[in-house]
Parts: sequence; C-alpha cells; structure tokens
Amino acid sequence: QVQLVQSGAEVKKPGASVKVSCKAFGYTFTSYYVHWVRQAPGQGLEWMGMVNPSGGSTTYAQKFQGRVTMTSDTSANTVYMEVNSLRSEDTAVHYCARIGAVSSWAFDSWGQGTLITVSS
Amino acid sequence: DIQMTQSPSSLSASVGDRVTITCRANQSISNFLNWYQQKPGKAPKLLIYAAFSLQSGVPSRFSGSGSGTDFTLTISSLQLEDFASYYCQQSFSTPYTFGQGTKLEIK
Repeated sequence: QVQLVQSGAEVKKPGASVKVSCKAFGYTFTSYYVHWVRQAPGQGLEWMGMVNPSGGSTTYAQKFQGRVTMTSDTSANTVYMEVNSLRSEDTAVHYCARIGAVSSWAFDSWGQGTLITVSS
Repeated sequence: DIQMTQSPSSLSASVGDRVTITCRANQSISNFLNWYQQKPGKAPKLLIYAAFSLQSGVPSRFSGSGSGTDFTLTISSLQLEDFASYYCQQSFSTPYTFGQGTKLEIK
C-alpha cells in the first residue's frame, strides 16, 4: 500500500544543518509532488515547500528561502529536505506528504514525521 | 499569501452532538479546500478534499461544504474517536496555507 517512510529523529546544535529523508512505497513516485510540513510543539501546521520528483523543480515558502533545500532521487524513490543554519525555533516535527491531480490536490498520504530538536 | 482563518479554535462537545467548524479564506479559492484530522503524536489524516468530497474510508458522519471563501466541516453525530484537532488547508496556490486548527474536546 501507499507509504511514506521518514528517517529518524535528529538532535542538532544551533547553526548546524540537518537532512531528512522520505522514501515512497506503493505508487508511481513521479506521479505526485512531495511537500514538507512542520509542526512546532503544541502548534499548528506550517507549509515549508515542495519538490516535483519528475524533474526536481521546487517551490519554497518565503520564510525558508535560502535556508531549506528539497531534492529527489528517482532511483531510490526518495525525497530529501536539508535545513541549514538551524535555530531553536526550528524544533518541530517535520512531515512529508504527497499531493497530485490524482488526489485532487490534497495531501492523501503522510510520512510518520521526523522530530528535529535544536538545542545547545 | 492566502490566509485561512478557522473558528472556533477550541470546542467542547459530547458524544452524539452535531458539530460545525468553519474556515474562511481571505480571497476566493474556488473549491481547493481540504480538511484534516490530527490526533496527538500522529500525522494528519485527510478527511475531506475539494471542499465536499469524502476521502475513501472516512465515515459518512463527516461532511464538507462551501466554495469561494467560506467553508464548513460538519460532524453529524460525534463519536469518541472524533475528539482530535482539525485543520483546513487551501491548495489553490502556494504557499499551501493551513488554518490555525480547532481542538475538539470532550465536554
């Protein structure tokens, strides 16, 4: 069945970088965009950006421009998100989710989430 | 950016109650509006897509309506498993913004 499986939790110091993976199973990888959404402790959902695995084009939320990079590897059915210059406010659960015309532009499958903790 | 405003931010209700959550966009988004349910420690789950279409496997007590700027999610008869947080989200244009969420609690 359709599954998005993310890499494990990370603990980083301020100023460091982190790279999170999201591996897709059970569907044609290039038929859906993959988006990243984060959720700080006790807070709501925040859209970060998206990558099109077919071609690799990206769109980022303005607040993450220049600090976040999303990439895809079609040979591994995996997308990656790298966040640089981490600060304490980046402590959050980060989710990947797929979306496409087939799902009527809704996030119909989500990864389990990856907690990134930024602390000195 | 399109701003999504959800109300109420929290709601207390009893099993069997009918509950309505509203979501308003600050510009027209046609029917590009989706609703998600999230339980503590879990990823969000898609309930309603394209404003009123029920996602496969979601109970029929959930329904959505609206178009343009004003949307509602209705739960016709609350069950214990429905106590959770709910989010609306627009997919009309990037950034794909979410409402701030509604926490549904047991009265």
